[in-house]
Parts: sequence; structure tokens; C-alpha cells
Amino acid sequence: EDKVVQSPLSLVVHEGDTVTLNCSYEVTNFRSLLWYKQEKKAPTFLFMLTSSGIEKKSGRLSSILDKKELFSILNITATQTGDSAIYLCAVGLNTGNQFYFGTGTSLTVIP
Amino acid sequence: NAGVTQTPKFRILKIGQSMTLQCTQDMNHNYMYWYRQDPGMGLKLIYYSVGAGITDKGEVPNGYNVSRSTTEDFPLRLELAAPSQTSVYFCASSYYPIRAASTDTQYFGPGTRLTVL
Repeated sequence: EDKVVQSPLSLVVHEGDTVTLNCSYEVTNFRSLLWYKQEKKAPTFLFMLTSSGIEKKSGRLSSILDKKELFSILNITATQTGDSAIYLCAVGLNTGNQFYFGTGTSLTVIP
Repeated sequence: NAGVTQTPKFRILKIGQSMTLQCTQDMNHNYMYWYRQDPGMGLKLIYYSVGAGITDKGEVPNGYNVSRSTTEDFPLRLELAAPSQTSVYFCASSYYPIRAASTDTQYFGPGTRLTVL
């Protein structure tokens, strides 16, 4: 059965800290891995990763994929209170265009 | 573009009632999806559609039905509401003309919060 696991489930840090969120997967016919940020409402897209070892970066956020070890990490440096959210990881498959989501990591940044 | 819109935003149903959750996108996306998100959980795929007239089951399709008569609309139908269907429902769409991973981004609607009592 296809599976996407995120860790930790929740995290509380102080402003200015750096955090690393993990997403591991066991799927057949992997196509892509996506990271989303979910605040009060719908998820918003952060990154899509398809190739190992190529870092995607957007401001203080960056992400990388390891297709050999089947995981991805999302790094947030110099965290701010606005980074408080649930971060979701999803894996897209080549078959059927389905996306499997992890349960998310809840990040709380304290001033 | 309005993106992906969903109606209603909130709804309370009694056990056994039926309702349709509406989803519309104006981005000419081929692919549309319905997810449910239970408290503290990730999103579970209910149904998806790769184009008008074509739908397929996701991970948790029981108790739901969908149709896709146009590219823009993808309504989700609950025929006999049960308390287990209390959840937040998200509709999403993506543009995926060929098996090109670079177009994998999904756009989500704002969600419908459904409570079944």
C-alpha cells in the first residue's frame, strides 16, 4: 500500500530558529513530491520536486528530494510567526494521476 | 481568474439527508479532485477526474458520487449523510496535458466544512 509519512507531527520553535521537516514515502510509480503550507484554509503550493539532489529555494524556505532513500526535507530558516501553519507533503504517481498526502507537520513559531 | 471556487462554505446535515458540494474552476484545467480532511489528518482523495465525462475513485470513495459533465464543474454528491462524513472537503484542480511532471501543481478551493448530526 502506498504511504507518505511526515515527521515530526508537531513542532514548537522560537522566532529566528531553523526547522527541518521530513517526508518519507513508499509508493510505486513515483512521479513527483509536493510541499504545501496550510494555514486556516486551503493548502497553498510551495514546491514541487522531481529530481534527486536539486534544491528548490524560495526566500527562507528550501527543499530537496532524495529518490534513493525515498524522502524529502523542507527547511525554514530564521522562522517568523507567519510561518506557523501545517506543512503537508504529497506524492504524485505516474499511474492514475493520484496524489497521496501525509498527515502534515504542525509548526508553531513563538515570538 | 477566480481560481477554484466551492459552495457552500459551511453546512450542517441530518443523518440520511443528501446534498451536493459544488466545485468550479476557471483555469481550463483538465484534472479535478475531491479530498476530505479530518481533524489532525492529511487529505484523503475521494474521487478525481481527468477530463469531462471521466471520473475515477480515489482512496475513500464510499458514500460519495461525482460527475464531470463540463471541464469547469466537478460536483460531489452525498446521498445518505452519515456522521463519519463530518469533515472539511477540498476541491482541487491541475493542468496535466501530457505526463509532464512540471505541471503537477494543484490549486485548491477554500473548502466546505460539513457537519452531519
